[in-house]
Amino acid sequence: DAKTTQPPSMDCAEGRAANLPCNHSTISGNEYVYWYRQIHSQGPQYIIHGLKNNETNEMASLIITEDRKSSTLILPHATLRDTAVYYCIVSGNNNDMRFGAGTRLTVKP
Amino acid sequence: NAGVTQTPKFQVLKTGQSMTLQCAQDMNHNSMYWYRQDPGMGLRLIYYSASEGTTDKGEVPNGYNVSRLNKREFSLRLESAAPSQTSVYFCASSEVGTGVYEQYFGPGTRLTVT
Repeated sequence: DAKTTQPPSMDCAEGRAANLPCNHSTISGNEYVYWYRQIHSQGPQYIIHGLKNNETNEMASLIITEDRKSSTLILPHATLRDTAVYYCIVSGNNNDMRFGAGTRLTVKP
Repeated sequence: NAGVTQTPKFQVLKTGQSMTLQCAQDMNHNSMYWYRQDPGMGLRLIYYSASEGTTDKGEVPNGYNVSRLNKREFSLRLESAAPSQTSVYFCASSEVGTGVYEQYFGPGTRLTVT
């Protein structure tokens, strides 16, 4: 079973920030939080990962709470091309990536 | 760089037939993975290969076999296909080391077993 809980769907207006929440209350000390997304039926695409500090890259920002039991992926200026299913994954190694059902984000004009 | 390539893109099998799904990567990655994705669900790991010459079972290995042919290629074989194996199959690869490395995915193979 996936170790994370995500809302099944969310909407966001184009140009606004999309904030996608994820609960991972049973996360262990050595486990990372990863985010991937899957556009339409393509293969998943890596977005970002973090351990306990907030992280930012050219695609998104990852905010992890101090107790590490939840996190938020932020797409700062969502575009129509960001419409996808977003997966939050908690794992201690690359060989145990449990993809849950994810959050279907729809960016609307 | 082509990244991760998979063949075929689509396949229809009859129950009991066998087939091999091919995967190749040109990123010189050590680890490779096979996942399946059923409609409306997330991906589940079937088998993985942490390095050339090694393979290990994932979450749903029953009904499948794998071969890590060389560092570039990792194949998935269905010996006797069943309708429950109707799914989209994704291959992925990643680097390994002391850090954390993202997985790169192929475009998928859409398999229907009738």
